[in-house]
Amino acid sequence: KNQVEQSPQSLIILEGKNCTLQCNYTVSPFSNLRWYKQDTGRGPVSLTIMTFSENTKSNGRYTATLDADTKQSSLHITASQLSDSASYICVVSDDSWGKLQFGAGTQVVVTP
Amino acid sequence: DTGVSQNPRHKITKRGQNVTFRCDPISEHNRLYWYRQTLGQGPEFLTYFQNEAQLEKSRLLSDRFSAERPKGSFSTLEIQRTEQGDSAMYLCASSLGRGSEAFFGQGTRLTVV
Repeated sequence: KNQVEQSPQSLIILEGKNCTLQCNYTVSPFSNLRWYKQDTGRGPVSLTIMTFSENTKSNGRYTATLDADTKQSSLHITASQLSDSASYICVVSDDSWGKLQFGAGTQVVVTP
Repeated sequence: DTGVSQNPRHKITKRGQNVTFRCDPISEHNRLYWYRQTLGQGPEFLTYFQNEAQLEKSRLLSDRFSAERPKGSFSTLEIQRTEQGDSAMYLCASSLGRGSEAFFGQGTRLTVV
């Protein structure tokens, strides 16, 4: 069973609108949680990294939140742009050697 | 370009042939990871190196797969007797250490026909 679950699996939003992606994890012990953006056919690119003591972190129009007690994270995209169309992957690192556990990703499509 | 470099970007091979992929990490990074990604899925862990030592291998890495990082710099991933199920994107990533950002290469897309 995957230790990182993401929802929704995919979503379509209008350009300029906001959206929120969810990530639940069971990885333990926990070291940090990352959100990556992956364009089709390319490698993932890091958006944010958060440790258990951080509740929120922003990177431009991307804001990630983390609740280490409930083991939930969200990624909020503000004022979406066409270039935001991509897969957004939640990645959790354990506390041993830092193994990265990937979620299946949320496919976001921004339409004009 | 000082990022993670993977070669080749694309590889088409006949079933039963051997293939080898190369990953050049960011120069000062001591950690190197290999992942496999199929369509619509997130990357799955294959193996991990710290310097030249291979510290963990996934059960996904059957005996047809072997990875090396002989001098703690570049790494190679070899697949022997390829099968159609091996068709996937093979991603390499490197990082400075636990908790630091992992940078991914563009991947090698393997198609076994």
